Amino acid sequence: GESVGLHLPTLSVQEGDNSIINCAYSNSASDYFIWYKQESGKGPQFIIDIRSNMDKRQGQRVTVLLNKTVKHLSLQIAATQPGDSAVYFCAESIYGNKLVFGAGTILRVKS
Amino acid sequence: GAVVSQHPSRVICKSGTSVKIECRSLDFQATTMFWYRQFPKKSLMLMATSNEGSKATYEQGVEKDKFLINHASLTLSTLTVTSAHPEDSSFYICSASYGTVDGYTFGSGTRLTVV
Repeated sequence: GESVGLHLPTLSVQEGDNSIINCAYSNSASDYFIWYKQESGKGPQFIIDIRSNMDKRQGQRVTVLLNKTVKHLSLQIAATQPGDSAVYFCAESIYGNKLVFGAGTILRVKS
Repeated sequence: GAVVSQHPSRVICKSGTSVKIECRSLDFQATTMFWYRQFPKKSLMLMATSNEGSKATYEQGVEKDKFLINHASLTLSTLTVTSAHPEDSSFYICSASYGTVDGYTFGSGTRLTVV
């Protein structure tokens, strides 16, 4: 079946440092990718997206990089803050259809 | 921005009873709604896709008679967990779309505990 990752790793960073969260996706036909942030007991919150015709997109303090050759997606958070602590998921879609979520990464920000 | 309201946020029910979870798009018409299930420290697993006025499309392995989905209007979809058992305990999340995948908005989730 479709899958985007299987494990839930943890990334611990010091407040103020940059964070890089990685995601490997499985379907080379996927043409749209989204990063979500999920806080405990809440639904996913949109962070940033990127289409397959791009390899980089920047938002406020966040950058998404897409490497289609190796089917890899990354989320970079600049100057990480305690409020950034959460679980981060990448999700992929094909032709505007359903979203398939990755396994997620726990981000812990140490003050 | 687009807002999706999910209710209840938490529910505890006895084994054998049924539980209904509502998902409402508050300020837009949702042509498509999705239901996800999430276990602790795990990712979101898509259960089904519902389009207003038609039958839901269930993902492989999801029991359609167990998880009844109704999308009777462009602003409301419901998920009913029938004859609930402890293994149905989970976090259920809906999302609504006004047409394209980049229009997905998620609800805040429902924590179901079956005792």
